[in-house]
Amino acid sequence: GQQVMQIPQYQHVQEGEDFTTYCNSSTTLSNIQWYKQRPGGHPVFLIQLVKSGEVKKQKRLTFQFGEAKKNSSLHITATQTTDVGTYFCAVIQGAQKLVFGQGTRLTINP
Amino acid sequence: ETGVTQTPRHLVMGMTNKKSLKCEQHLGHNAMYWYKQSAKKPLELMFVYNFKEQTENNSVPSRFSPECPNSSHLFLHLHTLQPEDSALYLCASSQDLRFLGSYEAFFGQGTRLTVV
Repeated sequence: GQQVMQIPQYQHVQEGEDFTTYCNSSTTLSNIQWYKQRPGGHPVFLIQLVKSGEVKKQKRLTFQFGEAKKNSSLHITATQTTDVGTYFCAVIQGAQKLVFGQGTRLTINP
Repeated sequence: ETGVTQTPRHLVMGMTNKKSLKCEQHLGHNAMYWYKQSAKKPLELMFVYNFKEQTENNSVPSRFSPECPNSSHLFLHLHTLQPEDSALYLCASSQDLRFLGSYEAFFGQGTRLTVV
């Protein structure tokens, strides 16, 4: 089945610095989703990307889907303490499985 | 409030106990999932139910037994667990994944399980 590798596993930044997490697949993906899990919370859906080369923005967050649909990235500009948490990508595997990457845990020094 | 409710929020059980986790969704979704979240494997898919039928068992040990009596309710029955089963168990629901579109998963708050 489709596997996604997410890097880095951890990222610590100073408040105001940028942050990027990447998801890579060896196979072509039909689409990809991104979720955020705050400390002590549950994963919350952020966005879904479907089209090759698609770029979507949500305020300071920019999501990209690669041209070959094998990779995706989430970039946060000028991080704030509210951005702390773990960011997961997720893909559909087979017909019914929603499989998550390993996640990137973001911590921020205020 | 995500529309997915899990109970209990915390559970401590002995290795010889039998307990059940409950999940209820009020979103009209057809698919429901159990995930296990631990430090070793952040979001590990356990079971998938679609229209009350189990469509996925991700090689989960038989000491975990799921039950889906209808599209709104999902249970995870636990018996003779091991300490390494201690984790956060998350329930989620979505529309049928076979239909492309908005199939985002909505998660419950999770049950923090400790096996002693």
